[in-house]
Amino acid sequence: KNEVEQSPQNLTAQEGEFITINCSYSVGISALHWLQQHPGGGIVSLFMLSSGKKKHGRLIATINIQEKHSSLHITASHPRDSAVYICAVYPQGGSEKLVFGKGTKLTVNP
Amino acid sequence: NAGVTQTPKFRILKIGQSMTLQCTQDMNHNYMYWYRQDPGMGLKLIYYSVGAGITDKGEVPNGYNVSRSTTEDFPLRLELAAPSQTSVYFCASSWGDVTEAFFGQGTRLTVV
Repeated sequence: KNEVEQSPQNLTAQEGEFITINCSYSVGISALHWLQQHPGGGIVSLFMLSSGKKKHGRLIATINIQEKHSSLHITASHPRDSAVYICAVYPQGGSEKLVFGKGTKLTVNP
Repeated sequence: NAGVTQTPKFRILKIGQSMTLQCTQDMNHNYMYWYRQDPGMGLKLIYYSVGAGITDKGEVPNGYNVSRSTTEDFPLRLELAAPSQTSVYFCASSWGDVTEAFFGQGTRLTVV
């Protein structure tokens, strides 16, 4: 079983919809990363958080350390938000190296 | 500020050939990493380095070698390419442990 599970695996939305992508993990963590990967492109860091909530433009990331769960929300989605969103965690007490989820592929249609 | 730069972006290798994937960063980061990304899988750590002259194996190091002679550069060497090494490779860097990671654009490698 992967230490980091994302849901859904694939998500299709209409432009303007509110999007939620979920990430659950099974180990204690020091911090969690949300990353974005466009088709054929590199990986870009969106957020790194260890508690509470962070907001950047239309993107909001929340984390509940006790429940071992994080969510990435996109408000007023746009076709340019179409990408793979990856959750990764820094496990506590181990090698402190990132462990990655498999990603959620988001398609936003006009 | 270029960030993390990888070359080449694409490469096709024949079985048994060798090549070096280049990675350089201009952020003066101590930590550098090499990952591979296979379809439907999360990124897997190949090798990492916590500073010049120091390297260590990750989860999937077999068939690869690295060196870190400077803070900026962290090349990944494939000595005898095999079809199982067909993948997308990402280099990343961070200032230290549990800090934000910055990724390169990736190298798509096909071994035939």
